[in-house]
Amino acid sequence: AQSVTQLDSQVPVFEEAPVELRCNYSSSVSVYLFWYVQYPNQGLQLLLKYLSGSTLVESINGFEAEFNKSQTSFHLRKPSVHISDTAEYFCAVSFSGGYNKLIFGAGTRLAVHP
Amino acid sequence: GAVVSQHPSRVICKSGTSVKIECRSLDFQATTMFWYRQFPKKSLMLMATSNEGSKATYEQGVEKDKFLINHASLTLSTLTVTSAHPEDSSFYICSAGTDPYEQYFGPGTRLTVT
Repeated sequence: AQSVTQLDSQVPVFEEAPVELRCNYSSSVSVYLFWYVQYPNQGLQLLLKYLSGSTLVESINGFEAEFNKSQTSFHLRKPSVHISDTAEYFCAVSFSGGYNKLIFGAGTRLAVHP
Repeated sequence: GAVVSQHPSRVICKSGTSVKIECRSLDFQATTMFWYRQFPKKSLMLMATSNEGSKATYEQGVEKDKFLINHASLTLSTLTVTSAHPEDSSFYICSAGTDPYEQYFGPGTRLTVT
């Protein structure tokens, strides 16, 4: 069975500090990987995704994630966070074979402090 | 970009009544939509896959007679919570996609059953 693990439920960090949100997955088939961000009382917004090609993917607001097949990981990083990055971040996977449903990790609450 | 709306954004109902939640893709057609449930400080749990013109596919453990899904057109799916009880109180989120590997999420509906 496929699963997604986000080990850190909360990550507190000071503004302008670097951050890494960890995501590991388990699957016996090829995967597609996503990071979504959720602001309070809102739906999810796609931050970035890995489908194929370069294992390093970037978002428009400075986040990046690297697909590591050997470690089955897709950690999210940002070199310098802003207060506005405070939100819930969800890692998700879907699996090869057509239009697949997403399986989500438990989420990581990123709290950026001044 | 692709926009998914939900209506209502918040609803309060009495125990035993039914509530309908609408999910619309505003600027694209979606043959498939997904319904999720999110508990406080928890991840998203896929409830069902809604297919236009056919019956929804429910995830294991989700009562199809309690959570009625109708995908009446390529831009509208509805979720009806029948005979609602306080334990049905939750944040319900729908999603739809224009391609197999990207889903756009609605802003969610906060259901409170008193």
